[in-house]
Amino acid sequence: DAGVTQSPTHLIKTRGQQVTLRCSPKSGHDTVSWYQQALGQGPQFIFQYYEEEERQRGNFPDRFSGHQFPNYSSELNVNALLLGDSALYLCASSLALRGAGEAFFGQGTRLTVV
Amino acid sequence: EDQVTQSPEALRLQEGESSSLNCSYTVSGLRGLFWYRQDPGKGPEFLFTLYSAGEEKEKERLKATLTKKESFLHITAPKPEDSATYLCALEKRDDKIIFGKGTRLHILP
Repeated sequence: DAGVTQSPTHLIKTRGQQVTLRCSPKSGHDTVSWYQQALGQGPQFIFQYYEEEERQRGNFPDRFSGHQFPNYSSELNVNALLLGDSALYLCASSLALRGAGEAFFGQGTRLTVV
Repeated sequence: EDQVTQSPEALRLQEGESSSLNCSYTVSGLRGLFWYRQDPGKGPEFLFTLYSAGEEKEKERLKATLTKKESFLHITAPKPEDSATYLCALEKRDDKIIFGKGTRLHILP
């Protein structure tokens, strides 16, 4: 079992551009959550997907959007990138039955906006 | 306002020196509290789930406890490999997850 895999691992984008990050959940998991983690801070909840729908959302603007596919994999899209969007983006998968707090995390995508 | 506060921010211990990390919270509609370990450059690794006051969970040198307003992560006789950032997270009944900022733990050999 490969666990949660994220791609790419690192990314550099220019302010104003758009970016798509990808996540494959742990085998058997049906829920994917996305987090943003700034240096020295805890992860901040962006949103959660279950059954291909956004089930819950944190305090992030509409520039942040996502998608979940029938195979449970997920994408995070960020439009009109700002310098402040530079962070580690983490994907976490879980079982809806056990709740999203008990999750397996990927290694993250380090996004740098210049 | 929902809040999760971890203390101390950083802790340096000698190998074998036991201590506790604290996670205090104010949140409406708590479903569960979780502890994670995060190594530099990696995603968090799940450690424990606690659902009700009085509950305790143990794993090797770690023990997590929960009261109505806070949780403790006790580390007994730590080793250098226990050095990491320890994160506390809460899951609300509306499915939102709130993480604390973490405690950076450094165990000196």
